[in-house]
Amino acid sequence: AQSVTQPDIHITVSEGASLELRCNYSYGATPYLFWYVQSPGQGLQLLLKYFSGDTLVQGIKGFEAEFKRSQSSFNLRKPSVHWSDAAEYFCAVAGASGGGADGLTFGKGTHLIIQP
Amino acid sequence: EPEVTQTPSHQVTQMGQEVILRCVPISNHLYFYWYRQILGQKVEFLVSFYNNEISEKSEIFDDQFSVERPDGSNFTLKIRSTKLEDSAMYFCASSLDRGPQETQYFGPGTRLLVL
Repeated sequence: AQSVTQPDIHITVSEGASLELRCNYSYGATPYLFWYVQSPGQGLQLLLKYFSGDTLVQGIKGFEAEFKRSQSSFNLRKPSVHWSDAAEYFCAVAGASGGGADGLTFGKGTHLIIQP
Repeated sequence: EPEVTQTPSHQVTQMGQEVILRCVPISNHLYFYWYRQILGQKVEFLVSFYNNEISEKSEIFDDQFSVERPDGSNFTLKIRSTKLEDSAMYFCASSLDRGPQETQYFGPGTRLLVL
C-alpha cells in the first residue's frame, strides 16, 4: 500500500529565511505527488503537483518542490518565507488510496511557524 | 475564483444522532469526494462520487455513511448514528475529471464533535 511520511510535525523558521519541508512516499509505480497548504479556517489549497517530466516543479506563492526518485522524496522549498506562510502543509500522493484510484493519500502534515 | 463551500463550519451532536454535512462543489466539476481528519491524524479518503453513484470508497466508509447529490449543486455526507470516534474534520473536494492527475479542490471543512 502506498504511504506518505512527513517527518517533521513542527518547523520554526525566521521570516526571510529559506524553508524546506520534507516528504517521503512509498508507491510502486510512478507517483502523482501534491503539496497542499491549509491556513487556519481555510480549505486545503494546492501549491503544486508533479506527474512527470522536469523533476523541479514550480508552484504558487513562490514554492517549488523537487522529485527525487532515488530518495523517494518530494521536498517542498521556498527561498524566503513570509509571515503569511505560517500554515499546515500536507504532502499527498494519488493513485491507489485504500485499494482504489480516486483518493489522495496524505501525510500527517507539517505545521510551519514563522518567527519575526 | 470558484471554490468549494461547506456547511456548517462546526457541528456538535449527541452520540447516536444522525448528521448531514453539506457541500457545494465547483459548478462544472464532475467528481466529488469526502475526506476526514481525526485530530492529530492524517487526512483520510472516505468516498468518491460520480454520475450519482459511488465511484470508490475506503474501508472507513461503512454502512453508517452515505452520500447523495440531492440536487444540481449540493453534495451531502450523512452519518446515520454517530459514534464518538466520528469526531473529526470532514473535507469535501471536487475535481473536473477523474484520475490521479486531476487536481482536487477542497472546501474549508466541517468540524464535527460527537458527545
